[in-house]
Amino acid sequence: QKEVEQDPGPLSVPEGAIVSLNCTYSNSAFQYFMWYRQYSRKGPELLMYTYSSGNKEDGRFTAQVDKSSKYISLFIRDSQPSDSATYLCAMRARQGGSEKLVFGKGTKLTVNP
Amino acid sequence: SAVISQKPSRDICQRGTSLTIQCQVDSQVTMMFWYRQQPGQSLTLIATANQGSEATYESGFVIDKFPISRPNLTFSTLTVSNMSPEDSSIYLCSVRGQGASGANVLTFGAGSRLTVL
Repeated sequence: QKEVEQDPGPLSVPEGAIVSLNCTYSNSAFQYFMWYRQYSRKGPELLMYTYSSGNKEDGRFTAQVDKSSKYISLFIRDSQPSDSATYLCAMRARQGGSEKLVFGKGTKLTVNP
Repeated sequence: SAVISQKPSRDICQRGTSLTIQCQVDSQVTMMFWYRQQPGQSLTLIATANQGSEATYESGFVIDKFPISRPNLTFSTLTVSNMSPEDSSIYLCSVRGQGASGANVLTFGAGSRLTVL
């Protein structure tokens, strides 16, 4: 079983839709969870960061972590064509040091006008 | 957060040749990271480059294939040696810094898209 599983999509939705992106993981030691957004021909940029379980909201974006189920989600409300990108989940057990982030494969999202 | 510049942004290379990718950061950083992003695969760490010491390679990656230089605190290079079509990928440079939330997060360059014929 891979440490992090993410459905690669592609996912295509109409403008204004609510988008749900998800990752599951197997390592119960993971405590720090991130979502990166990657536009075509660009590097990934950090979108959301959460520590441990719970929800975090930033504008139209909400990140949820359910550690009991080893499941994280990113919700996008009122999706816009500018949200069209690949979304990567990432996680790690500890801050700093030499521990590396473990990434999902990314979900490609297209929001159609 | 740091601004990272990578060169070249893309290149098409012949099998058996080598290509060096440059990464320039606008601030001094202790560690720089090199990632590979292959189609349909997870972002994978190749190695960590520390200034003044040998790079640390992840399992499956070796110095002979991916030699790294780190001459100062703002610059690093990754060379992809003796290339084969399987090396066709996006190579990304990254640094770690404090995000807005105070968390330890990665910032990436735009990547270097390499195609090997």
